[in-house]
Amino acid sequence: DAGITQSPRHKVTETGTPVTLRCHQTENHRYMYWYRQDPGHGLRLIHYSYGVKDTDKGEVSDGYSVSRSKTEDFLLTLESATSSQTSVYFCAISAGFSGQSYEQYFGPGTRLTVT
Amino acid sequence: AQSVTQPDIHITVSEGASLELRCNYSYGATPYLFWYVQSPGQGLQLLLKYFSGDTLVQGIKGFEAEFKRSQSSFNLRKPSVHWSDAAEYFCAVGARSGANNLFFGTGTRLTVIP
Repeated sequence: DAGITQSPRHKVTETGTPVTLRCHQTENHRYMYWYRQDPGHGLRLIHYSYGVKDTDKGEVSDGYSVSRSKTEDFLLTLESATSSQTSVYFCAISAGFSGQSYEQYFGPGTRLTVT
Repeated sequence: AQSVTQPDIHITVSEGASLELRCNYSYGATPYLFWYVQSPGQGLQLLLKYFSGDTLVQGIKGFEAEFKRSQSSFNLRKPSVHWSDAAEYFCAVGARSGANNLFFGTGTRLTVIP
């Protein structure tokens, strides 16, 4: 299994509070991604990173921000959590074309509940 | 823009029976195609992938998939299902450029009955 960890694994928070989820990899892969998984929607890309300090928006980025200060860590922040952000969040990594390995590998997920 | 359709939300098969899960994609060029499996409470595991070449690709756990350009399909098959195959299956399409972003289908839940 790819070396990807996510923390916390479970979190319950109140509406309006800030929340930060962490993804940590030990594979030294260039690309990192944050997805959310909701019933009936599959997985949808929130933000992704193509290098340290290089990030871009995905399909459902409103209400989320990210940061990547080191190759191994990719943080997802909900500045002011809302109930619509209750979801399971997955981090993924990919070596990309430079590594001749296009596929993405996924972490175990973080279940976030906003009350 | 890319999109993926998995028309079957839920499929039930008997153990030992054959399985085919459908996936149709929309993409303006030849895509990268993937199947992932997710067991309850777990992350996604890559089953197989298609990049180029032979249109019939083999994956882990005895799964295979066939890329049919004319039908924009990438259906997943297994000749004999085991009870441990019960899970949710996701088809995904990726662009051949940039950060390799994936677009996922909504998934098919597989139930296996004895």
